[in-house]
Amino acid sequence: QQQVKQSPQSLIVQKGGISIINCAYENTAFDYFPWYQQFPGKGPALLIAIRPDVSEKKEGRFTISFNKSAKQFSLHIMDSQPGDSATYFCAASRRRSQGNLIFGKGTKLSVKP
Amino acid sequence: NAGVMQNPRHLVRRRGQEARLRCSPMKGHSHVYWYRQLPEEGLKFMVYLQKENIIDESGMPKERFSAEFPKEGPSILRIQQVVRGDSAAYFCASSPLTSGVDTQYFGPGTRLTVL
Repeated sequence: QQQVKQSPQSLIVQKGGISIINCAYENTAFDYFPWYQQFPGKGPALLIAIRPDVSEKKEGRFTISFNKSAKQFSLHIMDSQPGDSATYFCAASRRRSQGNLIFGKGTKLSVKP
Repeated sequence: NAGVMQNPRHLVRRRGQEARLRCSPMKGHSHVYWYRQLPEEGLKFMVYLQKENIIDESGMPKERFSAEFPKEGPSILRIQQVVRGDSAAYFCASSPLTSGVDTQYFGPGTRLTVL
């Protein structure tokens, strides 16, 4: 049973455009929703995270939007740059649990110059 | 301040051999998580360890896989009698806090290839 569903699988965006990646979760006990960025041959790096008590969090060009009633959250990358080309993973967890993250399958983003 | 270290970065084994993957957490971190990433897939949790204790191994295959985090030295993920389906990238993450989901720092991974 896939607990976190991520879409699209791949995304091509022109430089300067907005990249949008969506995730949906099933377990209403989840209370921590991070996004990770992974470059080829590297480990995932935490990009930005949100907790369900807020509907939006912004850090620089990266914004998470969170819809608790729909059990959905999304990552928006404004003014996308070629250096943003990477694979992005959403994840979810229960902070009071043993701490393991449940990951989506990833979105491969390509930003064309 | 060195990050999470994993070695080897690449490991090739023939079917039936043993694979040992090592993870040295960040300085001051006493919690280690192991994840497996199959090609074109997200990371799947395998096991969560603290020093000398396995806290959660709900994601570990029942056979051939084991993990330890001794009092001294790195955490070890051991795969006995490897099969082709074990080919994947194995990542460890470390954290300084109990249930530190928001403070997990990932290593660069070990890419295991089983011939």
